[in-house]
Formats: sequence, C-alpha cells, structure tokens
Amino acid sequence: GQQLNQSPQSMFIQEGEDVSMNCTSSSIFNTWLWYKQDPGEGPVLLIALYKAGELTSNGRLTAQFGITRKDSFLNISASIPSDVGIYFCAGTTYSGAGSYQLTFGKGTKLSVIP
Amino acid sequence: NAGVTQTPKFRILKIGQSMTLQCTQDMNHNYMYWYRQDPGMGLKLIYYSVGAGITDKGEVPNGYNVSRSTTEDFPLRLELAAPSQTSVYFCASRPQGEGFNSPLHFGNGTRLTVT
Repeated sequence: GQQLNQSPQSMFIQEGEDVSMNCTSSSIFNTWLWYKQDPGEGPVLLIALYKAGELTSNGRLTAQFGITRKDSFLNISASIPSDVGIYFCAGTTYSGAGSYQLTFGKGTKLSVIP
Repeated sequence: NAGVTQTPKFRILKIGQSMTLQCTQDMNHNYMYWYRQDPGMGLKLIYYSVGAGITDKGEVPNGYNVSRSTTEDFPLRLELAAPSQTSVYFCASRPQGEGFNSPLHFGNGTRLTVT
C-alpha cells in the first residue's frame, strides 16, 4: 500500500518560533489532510487540501498540496504552548468502486518551550 | 452534541481474554472506522463500515471482528487477546460524501493493555 514519510519525527521549539513539517511519498494522492492530536484525545482535522498546488491557511496554520501531488507541508507561525501535540499528515487515493483509501503518516510530535 | 463516543477509556486484559470496544456516534454518519495507534507508527485501519449491515477489512484486521447492526454503533471485538494488540484504539466516523471531502470525526480512544 501507499506510504507517507513524515518529518521530522519530533521537534522542540521556543514559544514564538515558526514551525515547518512535511510529508512525502512515492505515490500520487488525491487529497492531503493535516490532523492534530492533543494528549489523550483523538485527532482533529486542521486543514484539508484538494488540488495540486493549493495553499490554504487556517489562522496561524498554512498548508500546501505539492504540485507533483506527492508531498505536502504544514507551517505553524508564532507558536504558542497550546500548539503542543502530535501532527499527522494523511493522504487519500482512489481505490476503485467509489471508495477511497486514507493513509496516515507516522506523526510529528511538537513540544513548545515557554 | 456528543459526536463519537468510545468506551471504555482504559482496559487491561489478560492473554486469551475477550472484550468488546464500544463506539457510538450521534451524527447519523454512514461511514465508521476503527484504527489502532501504536507509538511512532501513526494510525492503521483495522475495519470499516460504509453503512448498517456492511463491513470490510482494513490494513490490519487479524485478531478482530466488527459488526454494524445500526447506523449509530460500530463495536470492535477482540476474541483472544494477545500482547501484540496492546495499543490505543480510535473509532471515527464521517458523513457520506465525495472521497474525504467530509473529514473524519474521531473519538477520544480506548487504551488497551494485554499482559
């Protein structure tokens, strides 16, 4: 099946710094999604990207769907303590008969030092 | 609006025991999913359902069973628990839509330890 390579695996940053993480694959994806998981909770969707080259913002978050459809990045500007958590990228591919397959990256664990 | 509710939150099982992880959603979503999350490994799909009475295997179905008798409920059954099934289990749902334009709604997870 498809694999997503998400990096970095973890990062420690100072409050106020900008953060960048990305996902790459050898496969082409129809959709790229970015989720955040707070400790003890399930993942929550942050941004969904539907077209190659698309650049979408959600507050301090910006994500882009790579032009080759094989990669995506997520940037967080001016980080704050509540940005702490695990960020997952996910991509969808069409698997035929009207169904889609969703593949998750392994996550980037973000720690913010006040 | 409760969303996706999973019970229990935590459970410890002995090897060979069985249990059912409960999942219910009140959003009238057609699609429901069970994932397991192992440290540093992301989320792996166990089983999914596109509607009441219809279930299908995901990436890692061995050792699990599911049923979908109603739109609201999608329980996950472990018949003979093994240490390899120690994980955090997430149930998710989404409304019917084109691909994943409709995002997944996750429950808060069940942390299972098998010893």
